[in-house]
Amino acid sequence: KAGVTQTPRYLIKTRGQQVTLSCSPISGHRSVSWYQQTPGQGLQFLFEYFSETQRNKGNFPGRFSGRQFSNSRSEMNVSTLELGDSALYLCASSLEQGTTGELFFGEGSRLTVL
Amino acid sequence: KNEVEQSPQNLTAQEGEFITINCSYSVGISALHWLQQHPGGGIVSLFMLSSGKKKHGRLIATINIQEKHSSLHITASHPRDSAVYICAVKGPNSNYQLIWGAGTKLIIKP
Repeated sequence: KAGVTQTPRYLIKTRGQQVTLSCSPISGHRSVSWYQQTPGQGLQFLFEYFSETQRNKGNFPGRFSGRQFSNSRSEMNVSTLELGDSALYLCASSLEQGTTGELFFGEGSRLTVL
Repeated sequence: KNEVEQSPQNLTAQEGEFITINCSYSVGISALHWLQQHPGGGIVSLFMLSSGKKKHGRLIATINIQEKHSSLHITASHPRDSAVYICAVKGPNSNYQLIWGAGTKLIIKP
């Protein structure tokens, strides 16, 4: 059974650009949540999608957005990139909605903004 | 004060030592997760528990709901156990968000 796949693994952008990250959950999982991790910081919740609907959103500006497709794959987009957006972006999939089910994480997408 | 506090922040031990990492939380919870993050960044879920104790190989996780405290133990520690261990809880008023601890960085020396 394939794990959670995130692409790209590494990317470099410049300020003002936009970026799209992809997350393919474990087959059969319908919940995908996204997190941002900056150096020295714990994971910060971005949003969760379940059955193509955003179920919850963290405290991030509107430049951060996401969506989920009918096959449960999810994308997140960050527009007008800022230096502070440099981080490891992790997604996690779960069989159940919310976080009472076991979480399976991808390897992350490491974004560097210059 | 953070709702989820982990201690210690950093821990260095010799191979073979018994390791304990603590997690205290201030909210009522429905579930507590222990996760492991290796230097490359990937995170692995170790345990999810809401009461009692769970064991997997050399890892043991316990939780005391009344005291709002959980511990992660590693027996016969090995250098490959070196990682950041993270505790996260689902609080009653957080919808579907997890409340994350800052992590404990563990280094096991051979």
